[in-house]
Amino acid sequence: DTGVSQDPRHKITKRGQNVTFRCDPISEHNRLYWYRQTLGQGPEFLTYFQNEAQLEKSRLLSDRFSAERPKGSFSTLEIQRTEQGDSAMYLCASSSLFQGRGEQYFGPGTRLTVT
Amino acid sequence: AQSVTQLGSHVSVSEGALVLLRCNYSSSVPPYLFWYVQYPNQGLQLLLKYTSAATLVKGINGFEAEFKKSETSFHLTKPSAHMSDAAEYFCAVSDINQGGKLIFGQGTELSVKP
Repeated sequence: DTGVSQDPRHKITKRGQNVTFRCDPISEHNRLYWYRQTLGQGPEFLTYFQNEAQLEKSRLLSDRFSAERPKGSFSTLEIQRTEQGDSAMYLCASSSLFQGRGEQYFGPGTRLTVT
Repeated sequence: AQSVTQLGSHVSVSEGALVLLRCNYSSSVPPYLFWYVQYPNQGLQLLLKYTSAATLVKGINGFEAEFKKSETSFHLTKPSAHMSDAAEYFCAVSDINQGGKLIFGQGTELSVKP
């Protein structure tokens, strides 16, 4: 078990550019979550997948944001036409529907800075 | 809708003193409750969880929390603070029947003075 990994750890981009983040969950976990955390705040839910199906999206997830989880393994989160307000830490977490009690295990996060 | 309130955005204690971080929740269904710790520029690490079993839950690093339904509270305690406990702590609630997404409080930053 190597834990949840995220890539890249840091991303600096100019306003208007597109960015894509990747998350690799714990291998046997069938649920995968994305959260956004701004400075001094708790993480806020963005979306989650059960296997390859995206089952819920927060209203925070504007149409510039899209997430995928092909084949129910890794997931990508893309932000199109980035804005300065998108600057945040993007956290990925995974959990098992069949083991444990729904606890989520988090990756180290991707810190996005939009200049 | 579920929500979490953490009382006190910043708590400071002396090394060896009792740590008490407060969390109150709101939930229309029996909740699952969690405490996570976050060190600077890192992800969140699970400290402990309450999932309707024992009301006193023991976690890692000597932390424990007690679920009190009558008070809708889930406060985190540690008898003796260590310098390495300095971090941001988050309380979270989830409804496992609604996809298990976590609703977090705003966090409490714990400082430990030597």
